Amino acid sequence: DTAVSQTPKYLVTQMGNDKSIKCEQNLGHDTMYWYKQDSKKFLKIMFSYNNKELIINETVPNRFSPKSPDKAHLNLHINSLELGDSAVYFCASSQEASWAGYTFGSGTRLTVV
Amino acid sequence: DQQVKQNSPSLSVQEGRISILNCDYTNSMFDYFLWYKKYPAEGPTFLISISSIKDKNEDGRFTVFLNKSAKHLSLHIVPSQPGDSAVYFCAASATFFTNAGKSTFGDGTTLTVKP
Repeated sequence: DTAVSQTPKYLVTQMGNDKSIKCEQNLGHDTMYWYKQDSKKFLKIMFSYNNKELIINETVPNRFSPKSPDKAHLNLHINSLELGDSAVYFCASSQEASWAGYTFGSGTRLTVV
Repeated sequence: DQQVKQNSPSLSVQEGRISILNCDYTNSMFDYFLWYKKYPAEGPTFLISISSIKDKNEDGRFTVFLNKSAKHLSLHIVPSQPGDSAVYFCAASATFFTNAGKSTFGDGTTLTVKP
């Protein structure tokens, strides 16, 4: 019973296309995140949503737009994909005032060709 | 500006010995620190955390030490087991009670435990 699930696991697409990555958590957590892991292995935060409200929006191109229909879902839509968008994208969730850190999904490896 | 650094990209130890993974940070506002473990093709998994009001937290074979004056923390694994072979990420947050506080991650240390 997966706690944080992301789909798809792999995504290969051409430059200029629009794609979406879906994320769902069944932990009842209040906050969800999108992190990007680039080729240098850094995990960088992109967005954070708390109860469907955008809390953190790091310096991310406008082509990236998160959508949270409810607090259990946080989807990431990317317009006009570029080669530099190739990375592994991780969704995560956490509960307020918890010592347990984030629960991550297994990641989506996006390859733009 | 890399606020959380793990200066050793890799570490290799013999099974049964101690593994020590290090992490340095620059932001004095960080007050909550975490370690995550990551296997290939999986997301990071939370391992252990420590608040800045403590200097040590222990959970089974895993102990995290925090030296605030040096802005340094370390993860000790003893005894190390082959199943501990993974990438370990250090992370730091400036807030604890507000979940909107983001975690800033280091770039990871790959630990290999040899049988």
